[in-house]
Amino acid sequence: SQKIEQNSEALNIQEGKTATLTCNYTNYSPAYLQWYRQDPGRGPVFLLLIRENEKEKRKERLKVTFDTTLKQSLFHITASQPADSATYLCGGGDMRFGAGTRLTVKP
Amino acid sequence: SQTIHQWPATLVQPVGSPLSLECTVEGTSNPNLYWYRQAAGRGLQLLFYSVGIGQISSEVPQNLSASRPQDRQFILSSKKLLLSDSGFYLCAWSTGHPNYGYTFGSGTRLTVV
Repeated sequence: SQKIEQNSEALNIQEGKTATLTCNYTNYSPAYLQWYRQDPGRGPVFLLLIRENEKEKRKERLKVTFDTTLKQSLFHITASQPADSATYLCGGGDMRFGAGTRLTVKP
Repeated sequence: SQTIHQWPATLVQPVGSPLSLECTVEGTSNPNLYWYRQAAGRGLQLLFYSVGIGQISSEVPQNLSASRPQDRQFILSSKKLLLSDSGFYLCAWSTGHPNYGYTFGSGTRLTVV
């Protein structure tokens, strides 16, 4: 069956470091992937979209890559801040989402 | 600008009672509408989606149902709640164009007791 997975439930990093979150997909080839941020008790908020023919996309301190060979997208937050602490969800473009990775940035 | 309203924010209901959650979108027409459920610490589970009035697609067989009586109104219902229906329910809309993603409501925390 088609799956989109975020294998890391949680990631803890120190302020100022780069956070890297992973999203993998299996048994299908999404034309694009989306990344969302979700704060506790709130709905997810759309951050970025990357298409399969785009290797990399940037928005401020965010960078997303799409590797169709590895069937994987990486989501990077550079110069991370405690305010970046949240759960980040990957969406597979077919109304389905990964389980999310909870990022905690420690001061 | 477009906004999405979802209510109530929290709800505690006894097992066997009915449920009605409402979602409305403002500032756009003919949106795609979605209901998701998120269990504690889990991902988003798609329950229903709709591409037009009266058009409902169900993703998961269960005791929930959805209706779209108006273009920008999406309702999630149940005749008899189960304990397993507890969770965080999210309504979302999209234009259908992926560049803009899904816009989610603020969610309803449902606890069935």
